[in-house]
Amino acid sequence: QITLKESGPTLVKPTQTLTLTCSFSGFSLSTGGVGVGWIRQPPGKALEWLALIYWDDDKRYNPSLKSRLTVTKDTSKNQVVLTMTNMDPVDTATYYCAHRSTSSGNFLLVFFDYWGQGTLVTVSS
Amino acid sequence: EIVMTQSPATLSVSPGERATLSCRASQSVRSNLAWYQQKPGQAPRLLVYDASTRATGIPARFSGSGSGTEFTLTISSLQSEDFAVYYCQQYDNWPLFTFGPGTKMDIK
Repeated sequence: QITLKESGPTLVKPTQTLTLTCSFSGFSLSTGGVGVGWIRQPPGKALEWLALIYWDDDKRYNPSLKSRLTVTKDTSKNQVVLTMTNMDPVDTATYYCAHRSTSSGNFLLVFFDYWGQGTLVTVSS
Repeated sequence: EIVMTQSPATLSVSPGERATLSCRASQSVRSNLAWYQQKPGQAPRLLVYDASTRATGIPARFSGSGSGTEFTLTISSLQSEDFAVYYCQQYDNWPLFTFGPGTKMDIK
């Protein structure tokens, strides 16, 4: 059974760096084809994909946020960490991590079949 | 960037009725499209991928169709638990995966 859970601060100040951890079980990020993504959702708004890390440490970012994002993995701990620099009130959102579905053998096809519960991050002074 | 649009923004339907939700891509995404359901306070749930393949455990009343730029999610007979927000997501344009703005389905 695949589960994911996000953890991190609920409140950050403008200009600070946000660090979120995704702890997962039921799969290994050392298995070929596996990926973990980050998606966020401002209150009452739509979903926005942020970043993706693959089993082979390939990392992909939303171009509009690429300069502010870093994603890393710790395979031994079954964790993925997302950092976002220079936080702004517009970054207030629920942040989700999610498992890339391996229904397709093509790792370029990325949709998410298991999601964490999400963590609400508020950016305010 | 491929822009996804969804219509209508809100759909009011009675339980037992059929609901049809639309998703349009600004350029062809072939069949690389997924649908998600999101209830208040919950994470999205994958319903359909590859435009028409139901995800594991998804009831048969959910069906997806379309290819290229026009897609449809149909719920054949609405149950009370189906009232939620529905999002489409394209994954053809690697590595920029984009979601639509959502369709909120509420009880008529």
